[in-house]
Amino acid sequence: EDKVVQSPLSLVVHEGDTVTLNCSYEVTNFRSLLWYKQEKKAPTFLFMLTSSGIEKKSGRLSSILDKKELFSILNITATQTGDSAIYLCAVENSGYALNFGKGTSLLVTP
Amino acid sequence: DGGITQSPKYLFRKEGQNVTLSCEQNLNHDAMYWYRQDPGQGLRLIYYSQIVNDFQKGDIAEGYSVSREKKESFPLTVTSAQKNPTAFYLCASSVTRASAETQYFGPGTRLLVL
Repeated sequence: EDKVVQSPLSLVVHEGDTVTLNCSYEVTNFRSLLWYKQEKKAPTFLFMLTSSGIEKKSGRLSSILDKKELFSILNITATQTGDSAIYLCAVENSGYALNFGKGTSLLVTP
Repeated sequence: DGGITQSPKYLFRKEGQNVTLSCEQNLNHDAMYWYRQDPGQGLRLIYYSQIVNDFQKGDIAEGYSVSREKKESFPLTVTSAQKNPTAFYLCASSVTRASAETQYFGPGTRLLVL
């Protein structure tokens, strides 16, 4: 059975801190791993990773995939209060709809 | 403006009642999906549809039904057989089932049982 595990489940940091969110998976016929940010409602797409070792970057956010060890990390540097959200990791299997982890709830305090 | 809409924003269900959640998209996407989200949980797939008049069960389809009579619309009915329906329901669509990175989500419907 496919499994996606995120850690930690929740995290509280001060503005300016750097955080690392983890996502490990067990999936047959892996196609891609995706990160989403969910504030109050709909998740918004952040990154899609398909190849090991290639960092994707967008502003203060970056992510990398390790297909040998079956995990991904999402880094956020110089955190801001607007980064407070639930971060969801999902794995795509053979074109099927996404298999989501439980999410990491991040709170950035001023 | 292109997008995906869900209605209502909040929905209250009485015991034994069927309720229908609406999902409409004008993105010309072939694939549509329904997810359920519970507190502290990730999204779990209820049903998905790759094309009009075709749909498949996801991981937690029991107690739910869907239809796909039009490309733009994918309504979800929560039946009385769903014993724990209180959750946040998200609809999504993508160009095809294979284009997961372009899966757009609607704003969600929160269902509460009275």
